[in-house]
Formats: sequence, structure tokens, C-alpha cells
Amino acid sequence: LAKTTQPISMDSYEGQEVNITCSHNNIATNDYITWYQQFPSQGPRFIIQGYKTKVTNEVASLFIPADRKSSTLSLPRVSLSDTAVYYCLVGLYNTDKLIFGTGTRLQVFP
Amino acid sequence: NAGVTQTPKFRILKIGQSMTLQCTQDMNHNYMYWYRQDPGMGLKLIYYSVGAGITDKGEVPNGYNVSRSTTEDFPLRLELAAPSQTSVYFCASSYTRDTPRGALHFGNGTRLTVT
Repeated sequence: LAKTTQPISMDSYEGQEVNITCSHNNIATNDYITWYQQFPSQGPRFIIQGYKTKVTNEVASLFIPADRKSSTLSLPRVSLSDTAVYYCLVGLYNTDKLIFGTGTRLQVFP
Repeated sequence: NAGVTQTPKFRILKIGQSMTLQCTQDMNHNYMYWYRQDPGMGLKLIYYSVGAGITDKGEVPNGYNVSRSTTEDFPLRLELAAPSQTSVYFCASSYTRDTPRGALHFGNGTRLTVT
């Protein structure tokens, strides 16, 4: 089965830029790449979505190389409130299943 | 516009009991999903639906059943509850899978304990 691979955890300090990379070697032509943020005891929350190159919104940027086999979520100047688990999500090849990977637990320190 | 609503928020079941977790969305989304999340772990897909009358299995369907008689509702049925089904259950919906409107909208979850 196609799946995503992310680092299990990352540490950062307030004010730094954080880059979280996700590998998705079996991404299908029609698949978009979507990143979610989850705080404890809450459902995941949409952060950003992209298909290729670069996408930026008010909270993050998403970089996708030409081969689309990976993507990088960039969080500029993180704060303590960015401490959460971050998931990248792509559809399984040729189905409508949306399978989450293990996610990356980001800890931001003062 | 309430988004995705899940009920109940909490439930304690005895082994062997059955229950239905309710999920309803008011965004006219075609796609709906059920995930479970065990403590400290990621989300596992149980079942999903791409429209009324159509459902399919996810990664961990055993012990669960679903139905999708309307666009709005996607209930999850647990038959013969087991301790291994202790988890937080999230329902999610999306307009489509592949367009920029395909982002998942999640409910607040149902915390289920089976003892």
C-alpha cells in the first residue's frame, strides 16, 4: 500500500523556522498533498494543500518538487502554540482511501 | 453551519454491548470517513463513503459496520464491543478528494471506553 513517511518527532525553539518533510513515493497523478495539525483531544485541522511547486497561506508554506515524491511543510517563526502533531496526507493510488501516516510530533520550547 | 457533528462525546460500554456513533455534516459533502485514534497513536481509517448508498472498508474495519442512507449522515455501528475498541473515534467529511476543496473537516470526536 502507498504510504507516507515522516520523522516521528522534531524539537524547535520559539521564533525559529521549522521544516517537516514527508515522503510519498507512490503518489498518484491526481493526488493532492494535504497537511493537518492536531492538538491533544481534538480532531486534525487543515493547514495547507498543494499539487506542485509552492503554496503559501497565512500560517505555512508547502514546497513540492517536480517529481512530487516528497513535500515539505514550512512553519515560519514557530511559537509555543505550534506544539502539535503534523500529518501529511495523500490519497492511496487509484482509490478514495485517505490513509494517515504516523505524523510528526513537533515540540516548541521557549 | 455546524460542520461535522459527532454524538455522543463520551461513552462507556461493557464488553459485548453494541452502540452506534452518530456523525452528521451540513456542508453537502460527498465524502465521509471514520477514523479511530488510540492513545498516543495516529489515525486509522475504519470505513469511508464516497456518496449516499456507497461505503467501503478502510484499514481496520473488523468489528464495525456503517451505512450511508443520506448525504448528511454516516453512522458507525459497533457490534459486540471489545476492550480493543477503546479509542477516540473521529468522523470527517470532504467535498471531493482531489481538488483544493478536498480538505477533510473533522468532528470533535467520540471517546469510547470498553470495560
